[in-house]
Amino acid sequence: EPEVTQTPSHQVTQMGQEVILRCVPISNHLYFYWYRQILGQKVEFLVSFYNNEISEKSEIFDDQFSVERPDGSNFTLKIRSTKLEDSAMYFCASNFGGSSYEQYFGPGTRLTVT
Amino acid sequence: KQEVTQIPAALSVPEGENLVLNCSFTDSAIYNLQWFRQDPGKGLTSLLLIQSSQREQTSGRLNASLDKSSGRSTLYIAASQPGDSATYLCAVSIQGAQKLVFGQGTRLTINP
Repeated sequence: EPEVTQTPSHQVTQMGQEVILRCVPISNHLYFYWYRQILGQKVEFLVSFYNNEISEKSEIFDDQFSVERPDGSNFTLKIRSTKLEDSAMYFCASNFGGSSYEQYFGPGTRLTVT
Repeated sequence: KQEVTQIPAALSVPEGENLVLNCSFTDSAIYNLQWFRQDPGKGLTSLLLIQSSQREQTSGRLNASLDKSSGRSTLYIAASQPGDSATYLCAVSIQGAQKLVFGQGTRLTINP
């Protein structure tokens, strides 16, 4: 069964460093998402991406964040200058047709900023 | 602003019991509602998706209902097993937006 994959599973970085989190969505899906979950808190939406552009973003997704689909399979989230409060589990998700379709989530990348 | 609430926050029951998890949302303008399972430190596994026009969905021992007008959904788990122990999250897809809005989850423990 097709699944969303994410790499790395765990990333440790120092404050101020740039990180890139990688995702491979399900191959025939058209909509891609990033969410994050700070330990003990709710899963929060960051950004959605369709047709090679951002379709929606949350207040969390400020200028320090960017997303890219560099080729036909990968979808990346970049954090330019990490802060301690960026420490969280980051989930990638994808679906075929946007809001009315089921979203499929990857296993997550745990980002630890020291 | 859509808010999703799940009650109870934690639930512990003996194996074999039937149980109900609750989810409520403040804005009835939704496309659908999804129930997920999350194991500790792991990703989200989709269990059931209910479209806004539907009343319920079933998958194996799981049955999810939706009452959009009252802003409520329930997840019914029949004949619970220790392997059902996990956190269960509900999330709504709201009209006019791409995102899912999540509840805080119910941590379920099934005791052998």
